[in-house]
Amino acid sequence: DTEVTQTPKHLVMGMTNKKSLKCEQHMGHRAMYWYKQKAKKPPELMFVYSYEKLSINESVPSRFSPECPNSSLLNLHLHALQPEDSALYLCASSQESGRGQETQYFGPGTRLLVL
Amino acid sequence: AQKITQTQPGMFVQEKEAVTLDCTYDTSDPSYGLFWYKQPSSGEMIFLIYQGSYDQQNATEGRYSLNFQKARKSANLVISASQLGDSAMYFCAMRDLPSNSGYALNFGKGTSLLVTP
Repeated sequence: DTEVTQTPKHLVMGMTNKKSLKCEQHMGHRAMYWYKQKAKKPPELMFVYSYEKLSINESVPSRFSPECPNSSLLNLHLHALQPEDSALYLCASSQESGRGQETQYFGPGTRLLVL
Repeated sequence: AQKITQTQPGMFVQEKEAVTLDCTYDTSDPSYGLFWYKQPSSGEMIFLIYQGSYDQQNATEGRYSLNFQKARKSANLVISASQLGDSAMYFCAMRDLPSNSGYALNFGKGTSLLVTP
């Protein structure tokens, strides 16, 4: 089973709203990732969690706040977003065996529209 | 810095024909991994195939095969017997240089494939 689930599938929010994106995997993977993808562009890495600790933060604005409550869950808290933050947000996970050849498996994504 | 180049913004192929999607890469690391993903209009990134830099044979997964030419630094995806459902964006990606934890992927710009009846 290589399933990563994401909720919600679609989200519309105003610039003053607070919302959260949720990602879940039950493959025993120890690394989880958030990517942002604009239309007709490749995904861009935002955050990496490894063994539930934030290991990479690619200079993402503080209005995006990641959280990893346990090894299966990854949240992305959104606050005071801008219209340019509208994008597809993809979650991924991979095994963290240290060999460095692990495949990242992606969820279906959340399409976010900020009005 | 690592770089992935996909030079074909868009490709057309007729149903049941084979198609090759190009990918070249640049890295100074002798150990690396190359991945191909398919992204339909629904948005999900679907893993297709993996090639390790030390793998002796080209990777194959069903109708997908990877034409890996290490000296040329190319890792082209070959899709045989194209189907209408193969219409999608295809991304070539490379695992980033090893870090203490987590292995980010560097993606190419993608190739949009349209399979016609």
